[in-house]
Amino acid sequence: QSALTQPASVSASPGQSITISCTGTSSDVGSYNLVSWYQQHPGKAPKLMIYEGSKRPSGISNRFSGSKSGNTASLTISGLQAEDEGDYYCCSYAGSGSVVFGGGTKLTVL
Amino acid sequence: QLQLQESGPGLVKPSETLSLTCTVSGGSISSSDYFWGWIRQPPGKGLEWIGSIYFSGTTFYNPSLKSRVTISVDTSKNQFSLKLTSVTAADTAVYYCARQLSGFRWYFDLWGRGTLVTVSS
Repeated sequence: QSALTQPASVSASPGQSITISCTGTSSDVGSYNLVSWYQQHPGKAPKLMIYEGSKRPSGISNRFSGSKSGNTASLTISGLQAEDEGDYYCCSYAGSGSVVFGGGTKLTVL
Repeated sequence: QLQLQESGPGLVKPSETLSLTCTVSGGSISSSDYFWGWIRQPPGKGLEWIGSIYFSGTTFYNPSLKSRVTISVDTSKNQFSLKLTSVTAADTAVYYCARQLSGFRWYFDLWGRGTLVTVSS
C-alpha cells in the first residue's frame, strides 16, 4: 500500500477558509467512506478531527468539515484561527484490516 | 478518562530488536469496541501505521513491516506490546500507541504521548 497524497503545505489568513486534499486509489479512499483526519501540533500526539469521512468527534469545532469525491477526500477549515496552525494527516482504511496515512500537510495561518 | 502510555528503551543498537509496551489505564483493553494500534513518525516526517491488535489476539500488520513486526496483548496487565526486529537507522522514530475503533470504523480516537526510539550504535 502506498501513502495517500496530500499537498505539502497550505497557507491562508485568519478568517479565511482552506481545503486540504487527500488522494488515494480505488483500493482505499475510493472504496470506503472511512477517511479520518488528524491535527498535530509540534511535539504533540495527533488529535482526531474528522472520522468516517465527515463526522466530528465531540468537542471539535464545526469549522472543520470533511468530504469525499471518488478517490479524493478533503478537509475544509473555515474561519481560520491561529490555533489551527499545525500539521494535518488523512488516514484511510485500505482493506484486510490495514490503514494508510497521507504524507501530511503543514497549515500556516498567516 | 482512558489513557495510554508508551514505555521502553529510548536507544536500540542496529540489528537488534526494538521492544515497546503500551499501558492502558482508566479502561479495559478487553473491550470489544476497540483495536489497539502502533503508529510511528520519523523525525520531521509523516505518520506510518505499524499494526493493530484486538484483545483476542487478532492482529493486522502493515505489509511493508510485516516480516519484522510482532504485536501482542496481555489482558491481565491491560497492556499491548510491539517488537520490531533487525532495526536500522530508518526505524528511528517517535512511536505512538493508540486506541482504534473496531466495528468497521478503523479510526484512532485516543493516542499516547509517544516515545522517541533512536537506533544507533
